[in-house]
Amino acid sequence: QSVLTQPPSASGTPGQRVTISCSVSSSNIGRSTVSWYQHLPGTAPKLLIYWNNQRPSGVPDRFSGSKSDTSASLAISGLQSEDEGDYYCATWDDSLNGRVFGGGTKLTVL
Amino acid sequence: QVQLKESGPELVKPSETLSLTCTVSGGSFSAYYWTWIRQPAGKGLEWIGRIYPTGNTDYNLSLKSRVTMSVDTSNNQFSLTLTSVTAADTAVYYCARDVPGAIDAFDIWGQGTMVNVSS
Repeated sequence: QSVLTQPPSASGTPGQRVTISCSVSSSNIGRSTVSWYQHLPGTAPKLLIYWNNQRPSGVPDRFSGSKSDTSASLAISGLQSEDEGDYYCATWDDSLNGRVFGGGTKLTVL
Repeated sequence: QVQLKESGPELVKPSETLSLTCTVSGGSFSAYYWTWIRQPAGKGLEWIGRIYPTGNTDYNLSLKSRVTMSVDTSNNQFSLTLTSVTAADTAVYYCARDVPGAIDAFDIWGQGTMVNVSS
């Protein structure tokens, strides 16, 4: 069972704002930061957000991240058809001494 | 521009050993952790482990008994060995750069390589 829990699916219409949650179930996450990845069909995963809310160069500002003590969120505004794909959160777990991924959320643009 | 590329056999027989190599080009090799991640068909991403160029490793506890990672700094390569494979190890295997601290994320990924475990 993942220490990071994501909803299996999310959806929205073009132009809408959608939010994907990532609940932290382990106290061993501590001060670890959360990163988010976009995985489009047939491509390698791409880093969208690091340090909870920072965007790498080249990632549109339509993508934003936030984190509280027990959860993190990825928000996508101005939803576009090309945003359709899978989204994963990840962090470091001290008790496992390793990186962990959430189960992933499949985003559908209606 | 840093690029990563996985290489290795596409087919491995059950009970045998899976071996993959990732070649890093276009940037520094010595300053980062290098990671293996996999994705079985229809499932999510799974972190397998990481290696630092000094040879220090961290492995997924669920795979630790079967996983070995090694590094070849002279050729900017790192490798994954997974022993006693079963059909459950069939997956797309990705290598990625792990940047703890400064980014605390996987910022560059290889394209992935599909490995089938089948007789």
